[in-house]
Amino acid sequence: DTAVSQTPKYLVTQMGNDKSIKCEQNLGHDTMYWYKQDSKKFLKIMFSYNNKELIINETVPNRFSPKSPDKAHLNLHINSLELGDSAVYFCASSQELGANSYEQYFGPGTRLTVT
Amino acid sequence: AQSVTQLDSQVPVFEEAPVELRCNYSSSVSVYLFWYVQYPNQGLQLLLKYLSGSTLVESINGFEAEFNKSQTSFHLRKPSVHISDTAEYFCAVSGYQGGKLIFGQGTELSVKP
Repeated sequence: DTAVSQTPKYLVTQMGNDKSIKCEQNLGHDTMYWYKQDSKKFLKIMFSYNNKELIINETVPNRFSPKSPDKAHLNLHINSLELGDSAVYFCASSQELGANSYEQYFGPGTRLTVT
Repeated sequence: AQSVTQLDSQVPVFEEAPVELRCNYSSSVSVYLFWYVQYPNQGLQLLLKYLSGSTLVESINGFEAEFNKSQTSFHLRKPSVHISDTAEYFCAVSGYQGGKLIFGQGTELSVKP
């Protein structure tokens, strides 16, 4: 069974379009994250949700809107896509309790290409 | 500000040779340290972690890392690498509000026959 899953795996779209990426975790974790990996493979956090509540928003353009319908899902919606949004987007999750709250499990990634 | 520096962007080695991937961090708070591995076109997998206790931590596939608080380092080592170890390796720190991970720039390990 896949612990953290993302759909789609690949997404090719044109500038100006709106797209969504879905993430689901079956680990029973309370916290979920979105990271962006750029073309140089640098990883940076975008958002974090704990029990459906936004707790981290790392100066991401407001064209990006995360939504958490329940604690097992964290979706990422992107409006008015730009060329610079091309990247690999990773979802991750972690437990809330104790030191293990800092160990994150990552999904397989969604490669977004904006043309 | 918290940051992570991986001192080598690329490390080419021959099979069965030893390897060390270097990682230094700066932080004003106590941190937890991680090494993640990313195989080509795949997601990130946790390789090993330091949360507390013994400063030497090991993975199931022969990697080890040592937390050195005085040198603020968490270098990754393996005494004998295999072709299958070819991947991108990321050092990361956490311990901050919200649990976010701060990653280094990554080190591409390329193992040649």
